Order: sequence, then structure tokens, then C-alpha cells
Amino acid sequence: DVKVTQSSRYLVKRTGEKVFLECVQDMDHENMFWYRQDPGLGLRLIYFSYDVKMKEKGDIPEGYSVSREKKERFSLILESASTNQTSMYLCATKILSYEQYFGPGTRLTVT
Amino acid sequence: GENVEQHPSTLSVQEGDSAVIKCTYSDSASNYFPWYKQELGKRPQLIIDIRSNVGEKKDQRIAVTLNKTAKHFSLHITETQPEDSAVYFCAASLGGAGNMLTFGGGTRLMVKP
Repeated sequence: DVKVTQSSRYLVKRTGEKVFLECVQDMDHENMFWYRQDPGLGLRLIYFSYDVKMKEKGDIPEGYSVSREKKERFSLILESASTNQTSMYLCATKILSYEQYFGPGTRLTVT
Repeated sequence: GENVEQHPSTLSVQEGDSAVIKCTYSDSASNYFPWYKQELGKRPQLIIDIRSNVGEKKDQRIAVTLNKTAKHFSLHITETQPEDSAVYFCAASLGGAGNMLTFGGGTRLMVKP
């Protein structure tokens, strides 16, 4: 079974704080993704990585950065959190030729 | 880039009725169209997908149709049951590095017993 875990289910941070969201997969997959989910907007791709130390911007990368130092771990970083980054964040890994398997999500609230 | 629009945003049906959710995409080069189901508080999970060389695909009570000329695809659920209640997302992919997905805005389906 594929296992994708995220470091926190719920997180509350203050404006201006640096925030780290971590995602770990146990299947040795090359491709990993970070999305944010907002009502009515679906899932929007922030960044993805197709290999260690490789990253590509998605549709909404502004205000975010990522790190992939090891194959199994993909981190999303909010350098200076803002209230408009309050959202559900979902990590995913690509398991078959196209199918993506999602983690449980982190609901981030920035106050 | 690709743009995917999904309608309706909410859909309420009686148990046993059919439900249809429609999506349109903008890039004619897209070649893969999955549908994900997200139950309340859970992660999105793939329920069915279709590739651009196929017009229709069925899996028990669910089916997906694709019209490449019109650039739209639809999810059909027959004999709906309360456990079909969830948010459904369509997506499109151009393939290539990472096989990135562009998602629609989602449809909240409510099946009334």
C-alpha cells in the first residue's frame, strides 16, 4: 500500500512566521506535488518535484518555496506566512503513469 | 496553461437517481482526464480516468465520456447511493514531465435518502 504522510493535520501560525509543511512517501516515487485546496477553486498546484533537488513551479508558487533533499521527503515552506495563505494543503505522489495519491492534508490557519 | 471548468458546483439528487457532472478544458493537447472523489475530511481518491484515445469508460455505476472536439468530459453516476455523497473533482493533464494535473473547482454531490 502507498503511504503518504504529512507532518500535521492542523496548524495555526501567526502572520510573518516561517512555516514548514512536510510530506513523506514510502514508495520511492520520483514525482511529488504540493497543492492548496480552497472552496470553489479546486486543487491548485503550488510546486512539484520530479527528482531529488529538482523543482518546478506550478500555477500559484508566489509566497512559497520547496525543498527536496531526499527522495521520500518534499517540504513546502512559507517564508513569511500571510492570512491569505490560510488553506488546506495537500501533498501527492504519482504512483502509476498518471494517477496521483494524496496525503491526508494539513489545514493551516494564519492569524 | 490549461484551464478546467466544472459544473455544477453543487448537485442534489434523490437516492436512486442519476447524477451528471460536466467539465470543459482549454488545451486541445490534454490527453488524460481523471476524476477524484473526496469524502468529508478525507483525501481525494481516483475513481475513474479516461485517456484521449477513448470516448467512454465504465466501471460499475460510474462512467466517464470524453468529447475531444468540444473539449469536454463528463462523469455519470447511476443509481446513486448516500455513500456517493462527496466532492468530485475533474482534472486534465498534458502529460510530459511530472504529468501535472489541472483541476476543476469541484462539485459537491448530495444524495438524499
